[in-house]
Amino acid sequence: DIQMTQSPSSLSASVGDRVTITCRASQSISRYLNWYQQKPGKAPKLLIYGASNLQSGVPYRFSGSGAGTDFTLTISILQPEDFATYYCQQSYSNPPHTFGQGTKLEI
Amino acid sequence: QVQLVESGGGVVQPGRSLRLSCAASGFTFSSYAMHWVRQAPGKGLEWVAFMSYDLTTKFYTDSVKGRFTTSRDNSKNTLYLQMNSLRAEDTAVYYCAKEWGDMAFDIWGQGTMVTVSS
Repeated sequence: DIQMTQSPSSLSASVGDRVTITCRASQSISRYLNWYQQKPGKAPKLLIYGASNLQSGVPYRFSGSGAGTDFTLTISILQPEDFATYYCQQSYSNPPHTFGQGTKLEI
Repeated sequence: QVQLVESGGGVVQPGRSLRLSCAASGFTFSSYAMHWVRQAPGKGLEWVAFMSYDLTTKFYTDSVKGRFTTSRDNSKNTLYLQMNSLRAEDTAVYYCAKEWGDMAFDIWGQGTMVTVSS
């Protein structure tokens, strides 16, 4: 199975900061990488699909990049509502659709 | 309004069974593959099962193979997860999710909690 490793596991930042979260796959997954945001007690929300495509309705301050094994999610100017946990997910192999362990973004 | 609504969660003893339902609305349910994803308390997301749009293909994560079965009724716009021989480690919030594009999950239900405890 393809393993997904996110770093860091947690991150402290301030409103207005630029933040980058990294996701690494144990083997090449081309650009089959998706990013989700999850707030406490809520379902995950799709942010980025296909490594760099912004899901409809997601603010432009979110961006994704990468291919192969190394990917990044960047939030350009942190807003108060962005404090949440972020997960990467590979969709190269089915099954399984492996998720990263999550990155908790805290104030 | 595009929506998925799970139901059927609850507290169940180890070894017993439970069936979850996921009711879809606002989109052509029969055209999309569907997934189950779970999240144990305080833990990350774990993919559980996949069901193709046409009922021909199913996949499961290794830890539930032989115990869980996913199915769907496209006439009722509903996805199901039959969970047998439940274990304490199956305790989690269970989400259904709609597959879109290159297997991203664009719509999620609100989740239903399953607690396996004696």
